[in-house]
Formats: sequence, C-alpha cells, structure tokens
Amino acid sequence: EIVMTQSPATLSMSPGERATLSCRASQSVSSNLAWYQQKPGQAPRVLIYGASTRATGIPARFSGSVSGTEFTLTISSLQSEDFAVYYCQQYNNWPLTFGGGTKVEIK
Amino acid sequence: QVQLQQSGPGLVKPSQTLSLTCAISGDSVSSNSAAWNWIRQSPSRGLEWLGRTYYRSKWYNDYAVSVKSRITINPDTSKNQFSLQLNSVTPEDTAVYFCARVGYCSSTSCSNWFDPWGQGTLVTVSS
Repeated sequence: EIVMTQSPATLSMSPGERATLSCRASQSVSSNLAWYQQKPGQAPRVLIYGASTRATGIPARFSGSVSGTEFTLTISSLQSEDFAVYYCQQYNNWPLTFGGGTKVEIK
Repeated sequence: QVQLQQSGPGLVKPSQTLSLTCAISGDSVSSNSAAWNWIRQSPSRGLEWLGRTYYRSKWYNDYAVSVKSRITINPDTSKNQFSLQLNSVTPEDTAVYFCARVGYCSSTSCSNWFDPWGQGTLVTVSS
C-alpha cells in the first residue's frame, strides 16, 4: 500500500498570504494525484487532479506541482473561504490512498 | 451537473448490517465511463476507500481488503442509485460514509479521483 504523508499537519496563515502544502508518496505514483478541500460538515471537493490540472470551477489561485514523489499544492493568496483541511490522494495503485490532511487555519 | 444524495440510518447496533443508498442525478449508474464508490472517514482511520461498482457490458465490483469479507455494493438501475451494505459491524466502523463518482473512465481503466461526493452520513455503531 502506498502511504501518503502530508506536511505540515497545521498551517497558520493570514489572509492574503501564500500557502504551500506538501504531500509525499512512499513510492512513485507518476502524476496520478488529486488534491481535495474539506470544510467542517461538508464532503471533500476536488481541487486538482493529474497533480497539476485544476478541476472545473476552481480558482486560479490554486495550483499543483510535482517533483518525483513530492507533490505541492500552492494557494497564491489566501481568501477567507480557503481556510479548511486539504487532502491528497493517489490513484496510481490499488488500494487508493489518502494523506492525513493539512489544516489551514487563520493566524 | 451530477449530484449524489445519500440516505440511510445513522445508528446501527453491533453485529448488525450497515445499509446506505446513494441516489444519482445527472448521470447513470450504468454509464460506461463512470464508477461508483463508497469512502468513509473517521478520526482513527482518516479517509478510507471501501469499494466500487461499475458497468462495462456487465457489472463489476472491487472492494478494499480491509472490508472485503463484509461488504457488498449493488447498483439499482431502476432507481438510478447504488447501495452499500457492511455486515457484522463493530464500533470501529463508526465513521462518516460518503458515496462518490469517478467520472473519467475508458473501456479499460479509470482516473480514480472523486467528483462529486455525496453529502456524507454519520453512522454510529452502538448498542
């Protein structure tokens, strides 16, 4: 099973700041990685798939990149609605696995 | 626009069967380019994929090893929905359960990222 490790667990940021979230795979998943945003009491919502492709309707301030087995989600300028928990998910191998999440909180 | 609406009880007794349904609008459970999934989320296990059903000239199912002996996912084409049954539940099965679609499938494989998701159902296993 591929283990997805997200860091940091919590990111304390101010609105307008740039946020950088990391997700590391225990082995290669190629570019078969998605990022999700989850707000309290809601289901996750896909932001990025294919490591760097924004899903329909996702603002351009969200971007994804990959270097080897290290994936990055960048939020260029945090808006109030971006404070949430973010998860990565690999879909290169079975079983499909998720990271433990990064909570982006208001500083 | 595809939407998924979940229904089912929020409380199940230990050793009994957890049953949830996910109604689909805007797509078909029989679509040849989609797969229909169940995922759960708990503080102890995080997000955990449980299984899927999909149609490619016939029906297929895949299940996570962790629940394979206890889980059944069935499509219902007459109601355009699919269901989850998890037998012999214990308190460790307490979680929020989500249904979700994988919408980018060829005849041979899928890009298995999930969109959309159902609203989630908190299922508590307790006597």
